[in-house]
Amino acid sequence: ETGVTQSPTHLIKTRGQQVTLRCSSQSGHNTVSWYQQALGQGPQFIFQYYREEENGRGNFPPRFSGLQFPNYSSELNVNALELDDSALYLCASGLAVEQFFGPGTRLTVL
Amino acid sequence: QKEVEQNSGPLSVPEGAIASLNCTYSDRGSQSFFWYRQYSGKSPELIMSIYSNGDKEDGRFTAQLNKASQYVSLLIRDSQPSDSATYLCAVNRGSSNTGKLIFGQGTTLQVKP
Repeated sequence: ETGVTQSPTHLIKTRGQQVTLRCSSQSGHNTVSWYQQALGQGPQFIFQYYREEENGRGNFPPRFSGLQFPNYSSELNVNALELDDSALYLCASGLAVEQFFGPGTRLTVL
Repeated sequence: QKEVEQNSGPLSVPEGAIASLNCTYSDRGSQSFFWYRQYSGKSPELIMSIYSNGDKEDGRFTAQLNKASQYVSLLIRDSQPSDSATYLCAVNRGSSNTGKLIFGQGTTLQVKP
């Protein structure tokens, strides 16, 4: 167990809808990052938050956005869902370079 | 060229054998390298970190790094059926250790009893 929690575990949405995924970082960690993992692929970096500011972004469109709160919890918001957004969404937290993943949220877009 | 490349496998080894997993990366400035294990339906679990050229051993696992060749490997000695999983190689993006990771697609390991 890494101490990183995510909710919900599973989620089903329809194309065009909006979704919010939540993450609670491990105590003592100061960065939280979000990754998207499509079936059969490695995780892809979406963005990272440090001290409540976005601290780097991968190759994802602006409809992917996030927030980090003072207690180091975080949200990933995805607007205008597309079928290709179906994936496992992973939250990772860390104090330095090592990153520890939560259990993930499985999003299905119909 | 992908930033981090792994053979997707599956790599099949008999129980008790040595499993050798390989990874190459393209960014010469990268300084931090990781191996994650991912069981089917679960999230990635960090099993090894390596930052300097050479070998790093932890129990049955040995990570090897060769920055000149841009090559990272993971050896699993005395492989067990419980080692059957997908192994993900990850490289820190850029030369500063920010924790922003680039992953390969993973190698599936099957250990047969």
